[in-house]
Amino acid sequence: AQKITQTQPGMFVQEKEAVTLDCTYDTSDPSYGLFWYKQPSSGEMIFLIYQGSYDQQNATEGRYSLNFQKARKSANLVISASQLGDSAMYFCAMREGRGSGYSTLTFGKGTMLLVSP
Amino acid sequence: SAVISQKPSRDICQRGTSLTIQCQVDSQVTMMFWYRQQPGQSLTLIATANQGSEATYESGFVIDKFPISRPNLTFSTLTVSNMSPEDSSIYLCSARDTGPDNEQFFGPGTRLTVL
Repeated sequence: AQKITQTQPGMFVQEKEAVTLDCTYDTSDPSYGLFWYKQPSSGEMIFLIYQGSYDQQNATEGRYSLNFQKARKSANLVISASQLGDSAMYFCAMREGRGSGYSTLTFGKGTMLLVSP
Repeated sequence: SAVISQKPSRDICQRGTSLTIQCQVDSQVTMMFWYRQQPGQSLTLIATANQGSEATYESGFVIDKFPISRPNLTFSTLTVSNMSPEDSSIYLCSARDTGPDNEQFFGPGTRLTVL
């Protein structure tokens, strides 16, 4: 079974509108971390936001927020006021076994976001 | 935050040859990782490179094909050996310190095309 599922291969949004990118995860470990990365066409991976499984509040970083619904095992990324520069591939990732510190990231298949003027 | 550089940024190679990719981090880090991203696909972990010990390879990846070195806490190399067109991918170096919530940083990637 996939550990990270991103069901939207592609999303379109108009500039200045908000967009939500979906991510669901599967783990039996009570300790885990969830990450979102942005990959522009240049190929680099840019860290956007992190949510720990024990965090009480949803994470926010500027225009990015993470809608964390633990019971549903979902960690959707919300981008407010989209900009043309937001056009990129977006990956959701999970690290399990938070306490060990040695576990690795597992990535979803990604969602391509296109922002139009 | 750590800044990671990779060399080369891209290369075109002939089948049967080998290429070594270098990864340099601007600070000492405990853990370094190598990922492969095939065209249009997500990232797949090749191995975790630990200083002073053998790399730990993921299922489907072997040391003979992807030998890795980690001579110190800021540097690692990945060699893609006996290349075939199926090895055409972006290879990404990544690093983080231990600690459950530490951010994982990525290098800019090496775009490899095998003819």
